[in-house]
Amino acid sequence: QSVLTQPPSVSAAPGQKVTISCSGSSSNIGNNFVSWYQQLPGTAPKLLIYENYRRPSGIPDRFSGSKSGTSATLGITGLQTGDEADYYCGSWDSSLSSGVFGGGTKLTVL
Amino acid sequence: QVQLRESGPGLVKPSETLSLTCTVSGGSISSSYWSWIRQPPGKGLEWIAYIYYSGSTNYNPSLKSRVTISVDTSKDQFSLKLSSVTAADTAVYYCASGILGATTGVDYWGQGTLVTVSS
Repeated sequence: QSVLTQPPSVSAAPGQKVTISCSGSSSNIGNNFVSWYQQLPGTAPKLLIYENYRRPSGIPDRFSGSKSGTSATLGITGLQTGDEADYYCGSWDSSLSSGVFGGGTKLTVL
Repeated sequence: QVQLRESGPGLVKPSETLSLTCTVSGGSISSSYWSWIRQPPGKGLEWIAYIYYSGSTNYNPSLKSRVTISVDTSKDQFSLKLSSVTAADTAVYYCASGILGATTGVDYWGQGTLVTVSS
């Protein structure tokens, strides 16, 4: 059972928009930064979003992040088949004194 | 751009100690936090530990009694030791720069190395 809760899967058609939620508590998301990671099949995770909503250079603006209270959301617009991947949210849990990840969400682009 | 590469045995016997080293290139190890993260086959990511170049550390409470992380700034390397391994420790182990919850997140990742625990 992950400290951060994500839906196991989401799906949408090419060109459409999808959101992936990440729910936590005041000890993690509520008081620490959230980052998002994309893991394409067979590869290492890649940073998509840091500091709740900032994108590293090279990450297209189709990817966006937001945070409200103890939840965070990753948004992907203009879906492409190449976006099919597992997506993870991550943060720090001050009560556990531990890094924590969500269980991951598998995105299928139909 | 920072690059990281894990190295170490791909097979470890039960009850023995898993030892991995991460070599950092393209940037100075003396400027950031460094993390170890693992992923069991077919499962999600699990944070193991981080170390600052000065040597300060933080460990996942569930692994703390078995984990040691260290840094060698002269070699631009940091290392992971996990003792008393069992089959449950079989995973792809990633080294990375940055830490969860901080401003940068975990920004650069190694390619990962599969460690299998089996006799």
